[in-house]
Amino acid sequence: DAKTTQPPSMDCAEGRAANLPCNHSTISGNEYVYWYRQIHSQGPQYIIHGLKNNETNEMASLIITEDRKSSTLILPHATLRDTAVYYCIAAGPPGTASKLTFGTGTRLQVTL
Amino acid sequence: DAGVTQSPTHLIKTRGQQVTLRCSPKSGHDTVSWYQQALGQGPQFIFQYYEEEERQRGNFPDRFSGHQFPNYSSELNVNALLLGDSALYLCASSPPRRPDTQYFGPGTRLTVL
Repeated sequence: DAKTTQPPSMDCAEGRAANLPCNHSTISGNEYVYWYRQIHSQGPQYIIHGLKNNETNEMASLIITEDRKSSTLILPHATLRDTAVYYCIAAGPPGTASKLTFGTGTRLQVTL
Repeated sequence: DAGVTQSPTHLIKTRGQQVTLRCSPKSGHDTVSWYQQALGQGPQFIFQYYEEEERQRGNFPDRFSGHQFPNYSSELNVNALLLGDSALYLCASSPPRRPDTQYFGPGTRLTVL
């Protein structure tokens, strides 16, 4: 699995968009980008995944650059409940990927 | 619909002892993965079970073993406990044909003294 690099921490004001970057310059052609988050004292929670097209669901949007070397997770209107550690993971195609390789993630602090 | 459940919530053991942790997957899920999360670190993959067999294993010694039962529930066993085994142990389950989408339980906090 390709290595991913994320900033260790970020702050965001409540109600504003939170944009979390991830670098995955060695991602291979069949690897997807997955995002999970872990709220304090809970297990990680799946957010979204994508290959090369932008993706959106009820939780977030995922923007992947055309060369696929980086991506950005967007929380459009961050709330205090979005305070968590966010993990960006590169892994094999859906249906085949088994092992998720978590790094140290980005600690997002949402403030009033 | 209950999510992934794990037991016990907390556990204290001494060095050299053995421990068994349990996991019940989300309803309809057939794959179970186990992770170890040390303080301040991301979860590290231990192994994954599907159809009662270990399908993939991470870089953990043989002291770590597991089992999956016909009802898809799973156990993680750790023998000869070391101080460094102190961590949060997370179980995750996946729906059929989607082992990449993992739903995590709250974890079991193991302390080895």
